[in-house]
Amino acid sequence: NAGVMQNPRHLVRRRGQEARLRCSPMKGHSHVYWYRQLPEEGLKFMVYLQKENIIDESGMPKERFSAEFPKEGPSILRIQQVVRGDSAAYFCASSPPDRSYEQYFGPGTRLTVT
Amino acid sequence: SQKIEQNSEALNIQEGKTATLTCNYTNYSPAYLQWYRQDPGRGPVFLLLIRENEKEKRKERLKVTFDTTLKQSLFHITASQPADSATYLCALDSSGGSYIPTFGRGTSLIVHP
Repeated sequence: NAGVMQNPRHLVRRRGQEARLRCSPMKGHSHVYWYRQLPEEGLKFMVYLQKENIIDESGMPKERFSAEFPKEGPSILRIQQVVRGDSAAYFCASSPPDRSYEQYFGPGTRLTVT
Repeated sequence: SQKIEQNSEALNIQEGKTATLTCNYTNYSPAYLQWYRQDPGRGPVFLLLIRENEKEKRKERLKVTFDTTLKQSLFHITASQPADSATYLCALDSSGGSYIPTFGRGTSLIVHP
């Protein structure tokens, strides 16, 4: 049973470009969470999605950031017009539908904005 | 405002001893508290969950206590090993029922052989 998969593992973008981060949840998991971790800071919740639905996006910046979890395919976190402050590790976690508190994290995508 | 505090200083202990990590919180009434392990360059790994009506939970060499009066959780690793060296994060649910955890910054544990 493969774990949560994220790709790419490392992503370098120039200021103003777009970044697309992908997350494939564990088999049987229908809930996906995205978090951001800055150096020396804790994990910060960004968005919680179920298939085709955004359940809670209270942690997502209002501009430039969007997330989706389509019926087929991975969840995507999209950052438009990246700035240096977007450089961070972005983690995705998935959970089974009946135990949302049990989150399994992927290895993360390290985004560097130059 | 809501706060989760974990000791920012690394905890250094000798192999075989018991490591104890602390998580304090303010202005929360969490239904549950979790502990995760995170190794450098990797995602957190879920270790244990303890609910508000539970005082203690054990799993192999791990023990977690949860005191809702003191607003504190203690995380113990008995017979520690160098392989236990990692950062340990505590997390609380931030709003009733939605299972969106809020994480502390973590405490680094270093076990010396």
